[in-house]
Amino acid sequence: AQTVTQSQPEMSVQEAETVTLSCTYDTSESDYYLFWYKQPPSRQMILVIRQEAYKQQNATENRFSVNFQKAAKSFSLKISDSQLGDAAMYFCAYKRQNYGGSQGNLIFGKGTKLSVKP
Amino acid sequence: NAGVTQTPKFQVLKTGQSMTLQCAQDMNHNSMYWYRQDPGMGLRLIYYSASEGTTDKGEVPNGYNVSRLNKREFSLRLESAAPSQTSVYFCASIRTNTEAFFGQGTRLTVV
Repeated sequence: AQTVTQSQPEMSVQEAETVTLSCTYDTSESDYYLFWYKQPPSRQMILVIRQEAYKQQNATENRFSVNFQKAAKSFSLKISDSQLGDAAMYFCAYKRQNYGGSQGNLIFGKGTKLSVKP
Repeated sequence: NAGVTQTPKFQVLKTGQSMTLQCAQDMNHNSMYWYRQDPGMGLRLIYYSASEGTTDKGEVPNGYNVSRLNKREFSLRLESAAPSQTSVYFCASIRTNTEAFFGQGTRLTVV
């Protein structure tokens, strides 16, 4: 079974600085997707960034980027120029690729709570 | 552009009471899911429905039942609520080979 591990329950960053959140996963499959979701106090789950395993290039979305190391099964999230609005729970998630039928399940890590200091 | 609509947002139940959480999506997704979120546990899958007319158990199905009423709607029922079911519940749907879209969550307290 696939598992996702986030080893940092809490992280803190100074406003305008850079922070990296760690995620490792375990799978025997070669085709899959990885995601980072943000959950602010409003409770809404917001997609931050996604990465397809077949793509060697790391995904980027404005101030958010990932370091995807497929062989090491590592998928870290880097937040540059941190803003107060970045304070939230961040969840790493894995989903296998599907070839029709069920789209499979999103498997989540336990989350990292990020605080941003002004 | 409603996406995934989940009701209610908050609910307090007494032990032994029953209730149904409603979820509807307007994105024509085949697959829908119910998760629960507990502190320090991330999101854990309760049940999912790969397509209309099918449902399967997830990681923590005990004490819950589901119904996939049609392609749009997927409900979660607690027949006899227990304090251990105090949690935040999320409904989600997944587009083909891409990310999940989530409802706004239901905070359920069982006293």
